[in-house]
Amino acid sequence: DARVTQTPRHKVTEMGQEVTMRCQPILGHNTVFWYRQTMMQGLELLAYFRNRAPLDDSGMPKDRFSAEMPDATLATLKIQPSEPRDSAVYFCASGLVIGVLSNQPQHFGDGTRLSIL
Amino acid sequence: TQLLEQSPQFLSIQEGENLTVYCNSSSVFSSLQWYRQEPGEGPVLLVTVVTGGEVKKLKRLTFQFGDARKDSSLHITAAQPGDTGLYLCAGAQGAGGTSYGKLTFGQGTILTVHP
Repeated sequence: DARVTQTPRHKVTEMGQEVTMRCQPILGHNTVFWYRQTMMQGLELLAYFRNRAPLDDSGMPKDRFSAEMPDATLATLKIQPSEPRDSAVYFCASGLVIGVLSNQPQHFGDGTRLSIL
Repeated sequence: TQLLEQSPQFLSIQEGENLTVYCNSSSVFSSLQWYRQEPGEGPVLLVTVVTGGEVKKLKRLTFQFGDARKDSSLHITAAQPGDTGLYLCAGAQGAGGTSYGKLTFGQGTILTVHP
């Protein structure tokens, strides 16, 4: 079965360091999402792309977070500088949105568990 | 902003018991999806309900979409330890605009089924 691949699976670093998380969406999917999951806030949408174009990044702290899709097989989420409050599990998901169908499932990777000391 | 409220937040039951998880909103969704997430993994889709009043069954799991498409429920019959996990509901927004294809997730219900 095709899967969304996220790297690294775990990342521990000190505050102030740059963190880059990578995602390989399922081949053929045209929409990519970045989420952050914490116990307190649950699953929060940070940003998403359609056909590699950013559609909505309103959930993302603009001063330190950035999301890009350099090509159709790679999405990146960067944090610079990182802070302890950024500690969370970050998920990438991809999906195929066709025409007026709005009920297409999202396929999630297994996440990057990020700890900022 | 569309919000989905899930209840209960935590559920701890014995094997063989029945349970229901609720997902409510004041907004109308074009469809509603239920996901299950296990530790160390991402959420996995269980079912999508599209039509108001729709009922779908997946073995011991029964999903219902409210008539007004504002709420949904997940009922599990004779729960088993393998049902343990985080259950998430997610509402899909309709066609049009940049929100198309975006999901709004509930906070989740952590279910623990004890042997």
